[in-house]
Amino acid sequence: EAGVTQSPTHLIKTRGQQATLRCSPISGHTSVYWYQQALGLGLQFLLWYDEGEERNRGNFPPRFSGRQFPNYSSELNVNALELEDSALYLCASSLDPPGTPNTGELFFGEGSRLTVL
Amino acid sequence: AQSVTQLDSQVPVFEEAPVELRCNYSSSVSVYLFWYVQYPNQGLQLLLKYLSGSTLVESINGFEAEFNKSQTSFHLRKPSVHISDTAEYFCAGVTGGGNKLTFGTGTQLKVEL
Repeated sequence: EAGVTQSPTHLIKTRGQQATLRCSPISGHTSVYWYQQALGLGLQFLLWYDEGEERNRGNFPPRFSGRQFPNYSSELNVNALELEDSALYLCASSLDPPGTPNTGELFFGEGSRLTVL
Repeated sequence: AQSVTQLDSQVPVFEEAPVELRCNYSSSVSVYLFWYVQYPNQGLQLLLKYLSGSTLVESINGFEAEFNKSQTSFHLRKPSVHISDTAEYFCAGVTGGGNKLTFGTGTQLKVEL
């Protein structure tokens, strides 16, 4: 069974440009999460999508946005790129939200590394 | 205040020595706690989790963690580490009303010969 896949693996952009990152969850998973992993800051929660709807959002400006498609794949868009947006962006999927007693496990992709010059 | 705190950013240890990676959580975190591991150039993988029941949980590769409510801790331990355990370890807890997994800043475990 295929795991969570992300594309592109690496992306180089310049300040002010837009970046689009893509994620395909594990088959059968309806929830998709996006995290930013910047150097020294750990993983910062960005967005959670479930059944096509945005369910929760982290403390990021509106230029970070995304969507989830009917096939549960997801896209993260970052507009007006800034140097500090350089990071590894991780996508994860799960069968149930983290707070449910039966699960909580998020399955992560290998990430998309965004470099802003 | 940080919801999940990992007190050590780096832990160097010799092979076959014991190790403890520390994690503390705040009152905003529900009692669903996790340890994830990230090997170089890979995504995160679940190592172990505490949801309820026995406060001592174990992974298949020899790690264990103990949920301690009075000390609000969920430290990760292994009695004898291997070179292959070199990785970054993240403690995480459920916050935001039960629909968000909040991670600590990670601890880099470096196992040396």
